[in-house]
Amino acid sequence: DSGVTQTPKHLITATGQRVTLRCSPRSGDLSVYWYQQSLDQGLQFLIQYYNGEERAKGNILERFSAQQFPDLHSELNLSSLELGDSALYFCASSVEYGTDTQYFGPGTRLTVL
Amino acid sequence: GNSVTQMEGPVTLSEEAFLTINCTYTATGYPSLFWYVQYPGEGLQLLLKATKADDKGSNKGFEATYRKETTSFHLEKGSVQVSDSAVYFCALSIKAAGNKLTFGGGTRVLVKP
Repeated sequence: DSGVTQTPKHLITATGQRVTLRCSPRSGDLSVYWYQQSLDQGLQFLIQYYNGEERAKGNILERFSAQQFPDLHSELNLSSLELGDSALYFCASSVEYGTDTQYFGPGTRLTVL
Repeated sequence: GNSVTQMEGPVTLSEEAFLTINCTYTATGYPSLFWYVQYPGEGLQLLLKATKADDKGSNKGFEATYRKETTSFHLEKGSVQVSDSAVYFCALSIKAAGNKLTFGGGTRVLVKP
């Protein structure tokens, strides 16, 4: 158990809908990362937050957004969902902004029908 | 940009065989290198890491050496077990870029009894 929790574990929804994925980092970790794992794109970085502020953006679609709250949990919002958004979404956390070791949560599997 | 290339699988081995998974990288800057493992139905677990040239990361019988001259970080294990069946991901991060991870495509390893 990495100490990173993600909810829900599975999510099934329809095209055009909006969903929110939640992540709670390890106790004391200030930095949160979101990654997407799909069959065609592999594992790719989406976005990073540090202590409530966005720090880096990767290949994140405009339909997706995220935030980190004062209690350090983070949410990833996916809207106008398409079939191709079906994937595993992982959250990871690390102690500081420049710390290289990230601890991953179990992931949320999103299925868009 | 940064990228990681690792050998495609699946790699099928018999128990007690020697395992090598090749990984090479390109990076702007001085990366830290990682191997993550994903067991069936689970999230990513950090297997080992190395943060500077000639460092050797090791864990659970797995080893990898950071080779700057060949930009490689090959994973090896001398005697695999059925429980090592998983997908292995090579990855890099660069501190100046917030340490977001860039992953290779993953290598599925199947160990048969």
